[in-house]
Amino acid sequence: DAGVTQSPTHLIKTRGQQVTLRCSPKSGHDTVSWYQQALGQGPQFIFQYYEEEERQRGNFPDRFSGHQYPNYSSELNVNALLLGDSALYLCASSLGINQPQHFGDGTRLSIL
Amino acid sequence: QKEVEQDPGPLSVPEGAIVSLNCTYSNSAFQYFMWYRQYSRKGPELLMYTYSSGNKEDGRFTAQVDKSSKYISLFIRDSQPSDSATYLCAMSGNTGGFKTIFGAGTRLFVKA
Repeated sequence: DAGVTQSPTHLIKTRGQQVTLRCSPKSGHDTVSWYQQALGQGPQFIFQYYEEEERQRGNFPDRFSGHQYPNYSSELNVNALLLGDSALYLCASSLGINQPQHFGDGTRLSIL
Repeated sequence: QKEVEQDPGPLSVPEGAIVSLNCTYSNSAFQYFMWYRQYSRKGPELLMYTYSSGNKEDGRFTAQVDKSSKYISLFIRDSQPSDSATYLCAMSGNTGGFKTIFGAGTRLFVKA
């Protein structure tokens, strides 16, 4: 039973560029949430997708956007990258909006 | 004041000790309480998921929730070196959307 998978595992970008991160949820899960985790901090909620729509959003600017596909996989897009966007980006999936979330191992994004 | 407060540690204990990890929170709307374990360079792994107040036990782990005090705990019995990791508390509820809020995490070291 495949768990949550994320790609790529590492990524290096420069300021001002755009990036797309990908997530495949755990088999049977239909809800995907994205988190940003800075070094030494807990994950910060970015947004959640269910039935291909953004259902919840945290305190992140519009530069952060996402998408969910009919097969429940999801993408996180970040435009106009800033140095402060350097972090571990985690995807979590669940069966339903307020159910236990299972995490992938994340994409480590470094901005130069 | 942060919605969820968690002592970052580090906490160092000898093998076999009972470990107590705690979080406090300010939002009385939180109803769902989780504990995650995160190893270095990995995503968070769900350990415990509880609803409302009370205790829940799973093997060597016991989660306690005291909603009247806005205080949650995780106890680890017979701690092992393999328990060395960062432990994250998390909670959610109908706070104008079911966003999951994480604590900053406590780093635990279990010495052989």
